[in-house]
Amino acid sequence: EPEVTQTPSHQVTQMGQEVILRCVPISNHLYFYWYRQILGQKVEFLVSFYNNEISEKSEIFDDQFSVERPDGSNFTLKIRSTKLEDSAMYFCASSDPGGGGRAYEQYFGPGTRLTVT
Amino acid sequence: LAKTTQPISMDSYEGQEVNITCSHNNIATNDYITWYQQFPSQGPRFIIQGYKTKVTNEVASLFIPADRKSSTLSLPRVSLSDTAVYYCLVGGDYKLSFGAGTTVTVRA
Repeated sequence: EPEVTQTPSHQVTQMGQEVILRCVPISNHLYFYWYRQILGQKVEFLVSFYNNEISEKSEIFDDQFSVERPDGSNFTLKIRSTKLEDSAMYFCASSDPGGGGRAYEQYFGPGTRLTVT
Repeated sequence: LAKTTQPISMDSYEGQEVNITCSHNNIATNDYITWYQQFPSQGPRFIIQGYKTKVTNEVASLFIPADRKSSTLSLPRVSLSDTAVYYCLVGGDYKLSFGAGTTVTVRA
């Protein structure tokens, strides 16, 4: 069964440093997403991406965040200057572009645990 | 987005059927009802989706009454490995909005 993969599984960084989280979505999917989950809290939507541009973003996704699809397989989330409160599990997801609720059938990766010290 | 309400937690025993009901009184005509499962330190996993009546797959069944104001996820004969958080989501666009979910604990 095809799956979304993410690297690294765990990233430790110092406050103020830049990090790039990487994801390889399912190959025939065209919609890509980033979510985050702070320990013990809800899964929160960050951004959706389609056709090489952001289609929607949450208020969490401010100027320190950016996303990119640098090639035909990778999808990245960059955090420019990390803060302590960015410590969380970051999940990448992808979905089929089909209608009829298919957008709600998203496939999540295993996550990257980001620890900012 | 339609607001959903589901129990915070449920306990069960191995081999029993678990039914989790979700209320979504403000569901819109175009909204679908989707359930996800999440194990600790893992990403959410799509379980099942429906629009109306009943949907069944190899993992679960989803019952949706005619008014669509609620839905029930049914997990047949649960095992210890079904211990997880289960989320009911209602919508149809590309942004999933997760609530706190229902923590299901299966005991031996």
